[in-house]
Amino acid sequence: DAMVIQNPRYQVTQFGKPVTLSCSQTLNHNVMYWYQQKSSQAPKLLFHYYDKDFNNEADTPDNFQSRRPNTSFCFLDIRSPGLGDAAMYLCATSREKAGATYNEQFFGPGTRLTVL
Amino acid sequence: AQKVTQAQTEISVVEKEDVTLDCVYETRDTTYYLFWYKQPPSGELVFLIRRNSFDEQNEISGRYSWNFQKSTSSFNFTITASQVVDSAVYFCALSRGESNYQLIWGAGTKLIIKP
Repeated sequence: DAMVIQNPRYQVTQFGKPVTLSCSQTLNHNVMYWYQQKSSQAPKLLFHYYDKDFNNEADTPDNFQSRRPNTSFCFLDIRSPGLGDAAMYLCATSREKAGATYNEQFFGPGTRLTVL
Repeated sequence: AQKVTQAQTEISVVEKEDVTLDCVYETRDTTYYLFWYKQPPSGELVFLIRRNSFDEQNEISGRYSWNFQKSTSSFNFTITASQVVDSAVYFCALSRGESNYQLIWGAGTKLIIKP
């Protein structure tokens, strides 16, 4: 089945120690998103790639970076995790065409990040 | 400013009851899209429905139905004959604007179905 895969499902890191979360998709969607979701809150968009074009949200801290080496993979790098970065990180994909078709986003299972 | 309001923070019903989750939105766009997503305890967000602003027909999918009313800027979600497996957090979302693929999310409604 076509899907969005996130690894690892659970990640524990130390305060200030860089961590990378990965996302892959078999849907061949051109748009990939990274969301941060804290307990009892709605997902918060960090950034997204439209094809190779990177789009950062204005309030995403510089501590968060992303890479998309090809259509299938996207990485979230947290350069110096703080206690406040502990959250669920969700990857999503969608197929979009020019003109804002707003197709549905397909989500991965998420990576729960713990910062010690 | 665009906004999605889900006023019901938590709803608890007994299995087999019908339940309606409210969603009210604000937008200045003439063309926009509305979505509902389900997030079960496992954490994965599951797409339920997408509706564009020009299509006000109600939608029914099994026990799920959606009522879109532009006059009241509402896009409500009803589950008929609820089941324990329907227990989840449900999010309503609105497209942010033209040529922009982000969504404005409501705060979510936690639905608890008791056996």
